[in-house]
Amino acid sequence: EIVLTQSPGTLSLSPGERATLSCRASPPISTSYLAWYQQKPGQAPRLLIYGASSRATGIPDRFSGTGSGTDFTLTISRVEPEDFGVYYCQQFGGSPPRTFGQGTKVEIK
Amino acid sequence: QVQLQESGPGLVKPSQTLSLTCTVSGGAISGSDYYWHWIRQHPGRGLEWIGYIYSTGSTYYSPSLKSRATISVDTSKNQFSLRLSSVTAADTAMYYCAREDPPTTYYYYGMDVWGQGTTVTVSS
Repeated sequence: EIVLTQSPGTLSLSPGERATLSCRASPPISTSYLAWYQQKPGQAPRLLIYGASSRATGIPDRFSGTGSGTDFTLTISRVEPEDFGVYYCQQFGGSPPRTFGQGTKVEIK
Repeated sequence: QVQLQESGPGLVKPSQTLSLTCTVSGGAISGSDYYWHWIRQHPGRGLEWIGYIYSTGSTYYSPSLKSRATISVDTSKNQFSLRLSSVTAADTAMYYCAREDPPTTYYYYGMDVWGQGTTVTVSS
């Protein structure tokens, strides 16, 4: 079974700061088989990044994804007030074929 | 633009079967090449993948729910559905449906369209 572990659990930041969110896969997954989602309170998740590093339609370029195999990272270059929420990574292709990480909450400092 | 909308009873009694429907608008399920997923979120918790149905009709379920979950498609109504049998309080959650482009050998495109979710409470 593939397990995705996200860290930190909570990230407290001020607007304008850089956010670095980690997602670790065990066992390793194929590089392009990872997606990232943003969820705001009371809303459905929204696709941010697919294929580990491609931005979904309409996603600002301050969001970027990198990584391969075991370690993946979502970076927000300069956090905006509307970026606060919970971020999930999700894998494809393992067993089971879709799983989510437990989430990282980005909150206002 | 494709939109998804979940519907179903907000309250289900323990041991009964939960039935939810996801209505697809702005595009036809029939003849499309997508995976159609159900995901749930327990109160204050993270996302839990339940299962999918593919355009071929094939299904796959999370091992933890496999014995109780059934996903089906009704192309005449442009809907797909989730049935979850023998529910308990542990099935109380927000339930989402989502669409996913078929992954290729080398690339995964993620779940790009989500419904707003529907809350289900299991209680007598």
